[in-house]
Amino acid sequence: KQEVTQIPAALSVPEGENLVLNCSFTDSAIYNLQWFRQDPGKGLTSLLLIQSSQREQTSGRLNASLDKSSGRSTLYIAASQPGDSATYLCAATASGSARQLTFGSGTQLTVLP
Amino acid sequence: KAGVTQTPRYLIKTRGQQVTLSCSPISGHRSVSWYQQTPGQGLQFLFEYFSETQRNKGNFPGRFSGRQFSNSRSEMNVSTLELGDSALYLCASSRTGEIVTGELFFGEGSRLTVL
Repeated sequence: KQEVTQIPAALSVPEGENLVLNCSFTDSAIYNLQWFRQDPGKGLTSLLLIQSSQREQTSGRLNASLDKSSGRSTLYIAASQPGDSATYLCAATASGSARQLTFGSGTQLTVLP
Repeated sequence: KAGVTQTPRYLIKTRGQQVTLSCSPISGHRSVSWYQQTPGQGLQFLFEYFSETQRNKGNFPGRFSGRQFSNSRSEMNVSTLELGDSALYLCASSRTGEIVTGELFFGEGSRLTVL
């Protein structure tokens, strides 16, 4: 059974700082890993999708990496802004459940002006 | 391009009642999946539909059911509501029907409160 862990649960940084959010998963036989953002009371917004054959994906100030052998993914946010404040969730598939995502509990990020 | 639309956005029910939630996927998307989000359990997978067929089901009791129509719209139903069913129910759609899941796009959710 796939288990996804995100550490830390909460993070507070000053504006302009570069930061890294961590995601680990127990079953390395994933099809892909996806990072989402969730604002309070809202749905999830897809940020980056990394297929199992890829090592990283970039979108603007965001860069996500994937290391299947170690069961880890990181989301790097450059030059953080107050508008980046949200909960960030990672989700992984697992072998035999390609259409089902297992989510981590999220990292609540606060970027202070 | 319209996103995933979920209705209703908010609803309040009492124990023992039933509820039906609706999800309209992005145009052209044929896969619809449902998730329950609670503060204690986080996001948990309910089920996934593709071309009107349930392809995958999470570990929820039989009170939770769903279906998908020929236009890819989906509904989920919860019968005999319990207090613990209070949650944000999220629907997600995906274009691909292949074994490797494509990117998921989520709706705003339906927030259910059971009194």
